[in-house]
Amino acid sequence: DGGITQSPKYLFRKEGQNVTLSCEQNLNHDAMYWYRQDPGQGLRLIYYSQIVNDFQKGDIAEGYSVSREKKESFPLTVTSAQKNPTAFYLCASSIARGTDTQYFGPGTRLTVL
Amino acid sequence: KQEVTQIPAALSVPEGENLVLNCSFTDSAIYNLQWFRQDPGKGLTSLLLIQSSQREQTSGRLNASLDKSSGRSTLYIAASQPGDSATYLCAAPSGGSYIPTFGRGTSLIVHP
Repeated sequence: DGGITQSPKYLFRKEGQNVTLSCEQNLNHDAMYWYRQDPGQGLRLIYYSQIVNDFQKGDIAEGYSVSREKKESFPLTVTSAQKNPTAFYLCASSIARGTDTQYFGPGTRLTVL
Repeated sequence: KQEVTQIPAALSVPEGENLVLNCSFTDSAIYNLQWFRQDPGKGLTSLLLIQSSQREQTSGRLNASLDKSSGRSTLYIAASQPGDSATYLCAAPSGGSYIPTFGRGTSLIVHP
């Protein structure tokens, strides 16, 4: 089955720790995205990547980092510099930039203890 | 910068009703507009994608329209069912960009 997988589904972090959220896709999509969703809010863009070894900051990139070493993978690291990291994190992909549908993973819920 | 607004924020209807969800956007120079469905605690599922050159798209009981000149889109759900209960999100990119900006969604409950 083609799709996007995110792991883990739930993640707990102590203050001061860095954590990495996994996102993998087997859709052969060039573009990948990370969004953050807070209760009652729309999705806010953290980072996006149009091609391997290239990525751009979104609207709320501070305290986050990403890498795109492989086409299939786009991991997100939530660093200790992120002041309020508790949220629902969604990864998405699309065939390429332009007029294509975005496909989303099931999400990771991060809670800071 | 694109701003996307969805009205109403929440809606509760009896089963069988036809209903309309509204989405407005401030920058009309868009490549496309997408409607998504999100179940609680889940990711988003794409429902319909309307290209800028199209006026509407249909999928089963769903019909989405796009009026770029007025900055509006509507999602029409015919003969609603309890299984339609979810949050519906609208997303449109800013002019010259392909990155969508999302509205806050309409939370729909269809009760038997």
